[in-house]
Amino acid sequence: NAGVTQTPKFRILKIGQSMTLQCTQDMNHNYMYWYRQDPGMGLKLIYYSVGAGITDKGEVPNGYNVSRSTTEDFPLRLELAAPSQTSVYFCASSSGQGIGTGELFFGEGSRLTVL
Amino acid sequence: GIQVEQSPPDLILQEGANSTLRCNFSDSVNNLQWFHQNPWGQLINLFYIPSGTKQNGRLSATTVATERYSLLYISSSQTTDSGVYFCASLAGSARQLTFGSGTQLTVLP
Repeated sequence: NAGVTQTPKFRILKIGQSMTLQCTQDMNHNYMYWYRQDPGMGLKLIYYSVGAGITDKGEVPNGYNVSRSTTEDFPLRLELAAPSQTSVYFCASSSGQGIGTGELFFGEGSRLTVL
Repeated sequence: GIQVEQSPPDLILQEGANSTLRCNFSDSVNNLQWFHQNPWGQLINLFYIPSGTKQNGRLSATTVATERYSLLYISSSQTTDSGVYFCASLAGSARQLTFGSGTQLTVLP
């Protein structure tokens, strides 16, 4: 199993550009998450999904959108990139009995810089 | 919202030393997990430990949910243990994991 795979690993955007971070998991997990990690900080939840077709906002959703058309894929869309979105983004998945439960598995992260 | 306090914020050890990292929560603890972020940025799940004690090699963890804290023990530390250790938990009525700000561990050879 590859686990959780994110692409790209690095990206530089200009202010106002848009892009999509891809995330795929092959563990058949129902729950998937997008976090951002700012320098020297913990992780903050952007969006999460409890299954195909169902998504919801986390702590810091502004400026982002997600979709979940399949169990495996959970892309994160950045619209009109701003310098405040410079961060490292982590996708994660879990197989617990409810949102936030169960062991959390992370992708390797995507470092995004907005100039 | 819930407060998560990790201590110490920074820790420098000589290789072979033991250490204890602590995670305190301001609300009831549920579904507690410990993660290690290595110097390359990868996040690895160390323990899923809602309560009780678990051991994995040189690492062990104890969660006392009723007293809202968890401890991570590292014995005979190695340079590869360096990195940031995070705890995270569901807490109170929250539907998402709340992460602490981490303990930066440096193990010197």
